[in-house]
Amino acid sequence: DTGVSQDPRHKITKRGQNVTFRCDPISEHNRLYWYRQTLGQGPEFLTYFQNEAQLEKSRLLSDRFSAERPKGSFSTLEIQRTEQGDSAMYLCASSEGRTLDTIYFGEGSWLTVV
Amino acid sequence: GEDVEQSLFLSVREGDSSVINCTYTDSSSTYLYWYKQEPGAGLQLLTYIFSNMDMKQDQRLTVLLNKKDKHLSLRIADTQTGDSAIYFCALGAGNTPLVFGKGTRLSVIA
Repeated sequence: DTGVSQDPRHKITKRGQNVTFRCDPISEHNRLYWYRQTLGQGPEFLTYFQNEAQLEKSRLLSDRFSAERPKGSFSTLEIQRTEQGDSAMYLCASSEGRTLDTIYFGEGSWLTVV
Repeated sequence: GEDVEQSLFLSVREGDSSVINCTYTDSSSTYLYWYKQEPGAGLQLLTYIFSNMDMKQDQRLTVLLNKKDKHLSLRIADTQTGDSAIYFCALGAGNTPLVFGKGTRLSVIA
């Protein structure tokens, strides 16, 4: 078990550009979560998937953000027309999807918008 | 929605015990976690407790849950310099996503 893997670990982009992050969950984990963390704050929920179905989206997930999990395995999070306020660490997590669950996080993808 | 509060800083001497506290508002939380985050890294799951438990011990870690007062604590025995990090409590219930506190920065003085 290699844990939750995220790529890239760091991304610097110019304002207005699009960026995409990838997350590979722990194998056979049904649930996959995306969180965002800014400096000095705890992680904030963005969205989650049960297999390939996106079941919940936070109001933080503006229409510039889109997440997919096409085959119920890896997931991508795309941010279009990036803004400086999007600078944060984007964390992916996965779990088995049981009622009483343990959720494991990846190392995160740092985004800096300049 | 759920509100989770943590004190922001804690400083202890190496070898002492650390106690990190967390209070919450939603009594329906069924599972409560402690995560550790080192600089520039993701979150490492340390331990968790279910709402039908009062205490859980795991090596140097002891979690206490007071459901009446909606208070969760993490005690680290024999704190080491490698324990310096930010500690987050996180709460969940059923299929709802975890809600995190802002984290407590633990500094261990040698």
